[in-house]
Amino acid sequence: AQSVAQPEDQVNVAEGNPLTVKCTYSVSGNPYLFWYVQYPNRGLQFLLKYITGDNLVKGSYGFEAEFNKSQTSFHLKKPSALVSDSALYFCAVRDLNYGQNFVFGPGTRLSVLP
Amino acid sequence: DARVTQTPRHKVTEMGQEVTMRCQPILGHNTVFWYRQTMMQGLELLAYFRNRAPLDDSGMPKDRFSAEMPDATLATLKIQPSEPRDSAVYFCASGLGQGGREKLFFGSGTQLSVL
Repeated sequence: AQSVAQPEDQVNVAEGNPLTVKCTYSVSGNPYLFWYVQYPNRGLQFLLKYITGDNLVKGSYGFEAEFNKSQTSFHLKKPSALVSDSALYFCAVRDLNYGQNFVFGPGTRLSVLP
Repeated sequence: DARVTQTPRHKVTEMGQEVTMRCQPILGHNTVFWYRQTMMQGLELLAYFRNRAPLDDSGMPKDRFSAEMPDATLATLKIQPSEPRDSAVYFCASGLGQGGREKLFFGSGTQLSVL
């Protein structure tokens, strides 16, 4: 079965500092990996995805993520955090060997402090 | 900008009543997902359609929930009878199927409260 773990419920970072939101996954085959962000009272918005190729993926709003197959991780990063980045972040995996649905992690709340 | 439209945004109802939630996917998208979000369970997949055909509804309580796509522009999620434990935010998402690579576009959700 496919699964996604986000080991931190909450991440606090000062504005201007780099941020990392962690994600690890478990799939039986090759994963398709995604990051989504949710702002209050809104639906999820797509940030970036890894399908194949370069392990470093760049996405919206200056975010990037690094795929690490040996560690089964797909951590989200940003070099310099903004207060407006404060939101709920979800990692998701799709394993086509196990159906077509997206499995989302539990979410990590990011707070960027001014 | 194209967007997924969900109605109603908020619904308060009494236990035992029927609830119908509607979703208009982005024109041209061929995959539709229904998710339920709660604090305790996070995001749970309820149903998944591809080209209007249901592919996965294993996460949906069959005795009271039903999901349909009467046409390509409308997806519905019904609960009958509703129970207090159904209180949650229900999201619809659509995508253009690319063998699993597609990103999903989410609606703003329906906040359901069952009293």
